[in-house]
Amino acid sequence: DTAVSQTPKYLVTQMGNDKSIKCEQNLGHDTMYWYKQDSKKFLKIMFSYNNKELIINETVPNRFSPKSPDKAHLNLHINSLELGDSAVYFCASSTGPQETQYFGPGTRLLVL
Amino acid sequence: AQSVTQLGSHVSVSEGALVLLRCNYSSSVPPYLFWYVQYPNQGLQLLLKYTSAATLVKGINGFEAEFKKSETSFHLTKPSAHMSDAAEYFCAVSGGYGGATNKLIFGTGTLLAVQP
Repeated sequence: DTAVSQTPKYLVTQMGNDKSIKCEQNLGHDTMYWYKQDSKKFLKIMFSYNNKELIINETVPNRFSPKSPDKAHLNLHINSLELGDSAVYFCASSTGPQETQYFGPGTRLLVL
Repeated sequence: AQSVTQLGSHVSVSEGALVLLRCNYSSSVPPYLFWYVQYPNQGLQLLLKYTSAATLVKGINGFEAEFKKSETSFHLTKPSAHMSDAAEYFCAVSGGYGGATNKLIFGTGTLLAVQP
C-alpha cells in the first residue's frame, strides 16, 4: 500500500562510484520530484518531472541525472560520487504542479 | 523569489502545554503554504496546507495554522502537546496560483521536544 517508495533505503559506497536510487509512486500522479536533505536537515529541490518531462532542474552538478521511464517512476543516477553527496534523498509526487506533494521514506546515502 | 524563515531551531514544551512553531514567508505571488512533519528516520508527512481558501487551516493530529497576510506568517499551533508530537517540523512555500513554479521552498526546520 506504500504510496511513494524508494530503493534502497540505505546506500553506503565509496567515493568515485556510480549509484542509482529508484522511486516509484502508485498514486497515479503526473508530477515527481527529487529533494536532497543535508546533514543539517535542510531540504532543497533538485529536479521535477511532469508527465515524464523535466520541468525543474536546480543548480545540481551534472553528475546527477534523473530518468523517468514512465509517469510512475523517477530514478536518480549519480556518477563519480563525492563525500559531499552524503545526504538523505527524498522522492515526492503530486497530481500536478501546484498540488500537494507526497514524500517517500528517503534514501540515506553515505559516501566514504 | 520565495523564502521561508522558521524562528527557533529547537522548541521544548511540556506535555499538555501549547505548541507554537513560527513560520514567516516571503513571496512575490499569492503563496501556497505547507507544514510537514518528519519523525526520526522517516519521510515527510503533510500536516496541513493553505491554498488561499480559509485562513485558519486545520490539519491532522490536532494541529492548525493561521495565514496572516499582514504579518506574512503561517504559525503552527496545537493546544495540548503529546509526547508523540516530538519530531522535526518544516514550513514550506510554493508558487501558489499563478506562480511560475511548483517547487517547494523549505524552512530550516524546528525540532520539537516534548517533556513529560
